Amino acid sequence: GAVVSQHPSRVICKSGTSVKIECRSLDFQATTMFWYRQFPKKSLMLMATSNEGSKATYEQGVEKDKFLINHASLTLSTLTVTSAHPEDSSFYICSAASSEQWDIQYFGAGTRLSVL
Amino acid sequence: GENVEQHPSTLSVQEGDSAVIKCTYSDSASNYFPWYKQELGKRPQLIIDIRSNVGEKKDQRIAVTLNKTAKHFSLHITETQPEDSAVYFCAAIWAGGTSYGKLTFGQGTILTVHP
Repeated sequence: GAVVSQHPSRVICKSGTSVKIECRSLDFQATTMFWYRQFPKKSLMLMATSNEGSKATYEQGVEKDKFLINHASLTLSTLTVTSAHPEDSSFYICSAASSEQWDIQYFGAGTRLSVL
Repeated sequence: GENVEQHPSTLSVQEGDSAVIKCTYSDSASNYFPWYKQELGKRPQLIIDIRSNVGEKKDQRIAVTLNKTAKHFSLHITETQPEDSAVYFCAAIWAGGTSYGKLTFGQGTILTVHP
């Protein structure tokens, strides 16, 4: 099956710093990538959808300047949490879908962000 | 947009029993319904899916049924095993709007299978 790699798996940072999370599709071209946030014992909340070469579409309530998303190639999307604060601490998960099978999403392993 | 409701939030069964999780969706345009299993701190894994042109699909101990008229779909796990313990999420693809392929997840069901 398709493989999506997400790095880092865990990051601890000081308040005010920026953190970049990478999401890569290893064996297929990801036309669309999605970024989710998951709180403990809660469901996955879609933050934004990114299509290769275009600006990301953010969900209502998600700060665009806070969560910068770049999808520069068909295999890589990045999420940068800018000026992170403790309330940004969460589990962030990416997923990727190809143009051939747009409705099936393959998930990365997630990134546990802890902001001190 | 789409809204997916999932029940129950927790489910506890004895090993060997069956488990059923139910979901309802709001947008009749949705046409793809995957189910994911997520273990603590891990990625969601697709375990079975169904499309709107099919009423039922089975894969070994797992089956999914879909009632388009009532807009609900269910996950059935038979002969449960302790390793089935996890959080299960239903989802629906909202094929309309500006985000083609956007998944809407249910709230999740914590399944515990007791040996």
